[in-house]
Parts: sequence; structure tokens; C-alpha cells
Amino acid sequence: EAGVAQSPRYKIIEKRQSVAFWCNPISGHATLYWYQQILGQGPKLLIQFQNNGVVDDSQLPKDRFSAERLKGVDSTLKIQPAKLEDSAVYLCASSLDTAGGDGYTFGSGTRLTVV
Amino acid sequence: SQKIEQNSEALNIQEGKTATLTCNYTNYSPAYLQWYRQDPGRGPVFLLLIRENEKEKRKERLKVTFDTTLKQSLFHITASQPADSATYLCALVYNSGNTPLVFGKGTRLSVIA
Repeated sequence: EAGVAQSPRYKIIEKRQSVAFWCNPISGHATLYWYQQILGQGPKLLIQFQNNGVVDDSQLPKDRFSAERLKGVDSTLKIQPAKLEDSAVYLCASSLDTAGGDGYTFGSGTRLTVV
Repeated sequence: SQKIEQNSEALNIQEGKTATLTCNYTNYSPAYLQWYRQDPGRGPVFLLLIRENEKEKRKERLKVTFDTTLKQSLFHITASQPADSATYLCALVYNSGNTPLVFGKGTRLSVIA
């Protein structure tokens, strides 16, 4: 079974620029998550999708972050404009259902550096 | 507000010993708790899940306990090996419905040969 695919693996941008990350979840997984992981911290949820609908985006900084999951499969996360404090690893995960009882499957993440 | 604490940032143990990692939580009534392993430069990998009505779960050399009175989970690795060196993350779901996992900071385990 293929895992969760994310691209790019690394990205360096200047502050105030925009950036986009892409995620392809495991086939058949209805629920998709984007987490932000700052160095030395645990992952923090940004947004949760169930198929192509948003379930929880309460911690997404909506003035600069946006995400979509068209057709309930792939997802993109965008930051515009980026700030220095957005430097982190952005992890995409998927699970079979919203309860996540079989665990989440994570991608390897995109490491973003804002300079 | 809800809080998850993994008491040790880092834990060093000798090969062959049992590693015990602690996860404490406040203000939750979790439906279940999960443990993940994360290696440098990789995403977390799911290891074990334990539900609120379970006291203990085992998988090969791993054992997880869940004490809802103490609001604590313990994660044990028996006969530890250098290959077990990684960061271990505790995560909770506090509602059996749609709420997503909330993660602790993790404990970095180093097994010394």
C-alpha cells in the first residue's frame, strides 16, 4: 500500500512570499489532516477534512493560511504571505474515518524555512 | 484548556533494559490514546492505541497502560535496542466523534549499546 505522499520535501522562501504544499493521502482514506510541527514540539493541527468538507479549522490562521481538498482526494495548503514564525515542518496525515481508531498515516512532511 | 505533558524531553537507557515513557493529561476525558514513533526527518508512525475502558495493551515488545483516574499513560519498551532510539509521541482523542488527535511534545529516547 502506497503511503501519504507530500511535496516538496524542502522549501526556502523569503518572508512575505507565498508557498504551497501538496498532499496525496492513502487511497480510500476519507479524512485528511494538516499538522504544523515546530522544531522540538509535537504536531499541532491546522485543519481537518472529511472527504472535501472542512471538519475543524479552528487553529488555522485564516488571514494567511488556506487549504482545500478538491474532489475529496488531494489537498493543498497555502501560506500567503509567509512570516518567519511559519518556519516548521508541515505534515499531512490521513485516516480511514474521522475517529482515527486505526491510527493516522503521516507523510514525511515539507520542511519550510522562511528567511 | 486541554493539556498533554510528556514529562521527559529525553531519556537515555542501556540496551536490554526496559524504557518507560510517561504521558499525563489534564482536563480531558479522552476516548482513546495513541502512541507514535517519529524518526528525524520523517512523519510520526502509529504504534498502539488504547481505549478509555482498557487498562493495558501489548504489541510485541511494546506495552501501553492507561489510568483514567491518574490521567496517565505509560509506554514501555522491553529488551530495548539501539534501533528503538527515536522520539515517541503521545496523542489523545477526547471525543469518539470527529475531533482530531492532540499531540504531546514527545520524549526523545536514546538506547545506548
